[in-house]
Amino acid sequence: SAVISQKPSRDICQRGTSLTIQCQVDSQVTMMFWYRQQPGQSLTLIATANQGSEATYESGFVIDKFPISRPNLTFSTLTVSNMSPEDSSIYLCSVEKTFDFYNYGYTFGSGTRLTVV
Amino acid sequence: GQQVMQIPQYQHVQEGEDFTTYCNSSTTLSNIQWYKQRPGGHPVFLIQLVKSGEVKKQKRLTFQFGEAKKNSSLHITATQTTDVGTYFCAAPPLGQNFVFGPGTRLSVLP
Repeated sequence: SAVISQKPSRDICQRGTSLTIQCQVDSQVTMMFWYRQQPGQSLTLIATANQGSEATYESGFVIDKFPISRPNLTFSTLTVSNMSPEDSSIYLCSVEKTFDFYNYGYTFGSGTRLTVV
Repeated sequence: GQQVMQIPQYQHVQEGEDFTTYCNSSTTLSNIQWYKQRPGGHPVFLIQLVKSGEVKKQKRLTFQFGEAKKNSSLHITATQTTDVGTYFCAAPPLGQNFVFGPGTRLSVLP
């Protein structure tokens, strides 16, 4: 399975500011996924990031609020822009384990615990 | 809205008791995955089920996929304190991106 390094692990930010979260994978992957997990809740997919193209956002998430970069096959960033307390959450990046294009599960980064004050 | 449901939301058991969580979908699923998230940790993949009626075991954990491929269960025999965490099922109900269920939070009293 791929190993994902995600940072920062946690941060406390002022409202109105932006935070960029980084994920580095130890192998090349086609797609990287960004999730949000609000306290005590399940995981909600924010967007799928493909190298060389714009990210695909899920309903309720927009590029202006959550811009994503995917400069190569091992790295991606998610920015949480113009933050408000409602953005306080855990943000996780993830990659698929695939064989012959078949998904055999997701591997997650350790997560970024964001608190907006 | 949520297309993959899980019950119960919470379960408190005495160490040594069994535990079961159920995952249900209104649509037929091509496959289903199970994850465990320890408190303060990130989700960790446990298993994937693909075939109708499939049963897989991992030590004290038994995973089952329903005959109609619309439901699944995770059963833990003789729980231990190391089993504490939230168990999520995940499935692609529309054949595209996986959707995670709301999870079942298990606490084990020693």
